[in-house]
Amino acid sequence: DTEVTQTPKHLVMGMTNKKSLKCEQHMGHRAMYWYKQKAKKPPELMFVYSYEKLSINESVPSRFSPECPNSSLLNLHLHALQPEDSALYLCASRLTDGAYEQYFGPGTRLTVT
Amino acid sequence: GESVGLHLPTLSVQEGDNSIINCAYSNSASDYFIWYKQESGKGPQFIIDIRSNMDKRQGQRVTVLLNKTVKHLSLQIAATQPGDSAVYFCAETVGTALIFGKGTTLSVSS
Repeated sequence: DTEVTQTPKHLVMGMTNKKSLKCEQHMGHRAMYWYKQKAKKPPELMFVYSYEKLSINESVPSRFSPECPNSSLLNLHLHALQPEDSALYLCASRLTDGAYEQYFGPGTRLTVT
Repeated sequence: GESVGLHLPTLSVQEGDNSIINCAYSNSASDYFIWYKQESGKGPQFIIDIRSNMDKRQGQRVTVLLNKTVKHLSLQIAATQPGDSAVYFCAETVGTALIFGKGTTLSVSS
C-alpha cells in the first residue's frame, strides 16, 4: 500500500458546524502533515506530527485542531470556521530517518458557508 | 521570510517539445529539493528530487538541474505530452517541513 487516503473528498459546512477531516496511510511513515491550499496557490504547511507528537504548528487558528490517534491516522477537527477557510486540505506523510520525500493524499475540498 | 519561488506562472508548449520550468530559491541552508506535479483535483505527486551536493539528476523523461551559485532549480521534461499538463511546484526542505514555490502551470497542446 503506497498511498495516502483522505475522507471526505468534499465537505460543505456552516460556520457553526463541527466536522472532522481524516487521513490514513499504511506505509509505516512516522511523520504526517496537514497543508492548506487555496486556488492557484502552493500548499501551505499547517501542522506536523512526528512519532504521533505535534512538532510544528504554523500559527494556525485554534478553530483547527489536529489529532494523531496512532501512527497511521491523522485527523483535523474543524469548529466555527470562517468562509475564508474554504480551501483544499491536503494530508501528507514521510518515512523520517533521512527520507525527505512527502507523499500526498488527494485532499478534501472544504467549503464553509 | 525565505521562500522558494518560480519564475513564470504559465508555460505553453506543443506536444513533443521539451519543456523547461524554472525555480529560484533563497534559503542557502536547504539541502534537499523536490519537484511536484499537481493535476486538477488531485494532491501533489512526486516527480524527482535532488540533494544540494548534486547539480543534476535524471529520471524518466525528466531532469532536474541545481545551480547553487545562483540558487536556481530547473525541471526539464523531454518530449512533453498532453498528460504532462498540470501545475508544477518546486519545494525545498527546511528541517522536517517543505516550503513550496508559487507554481508554474504547464499547458501542452497537441
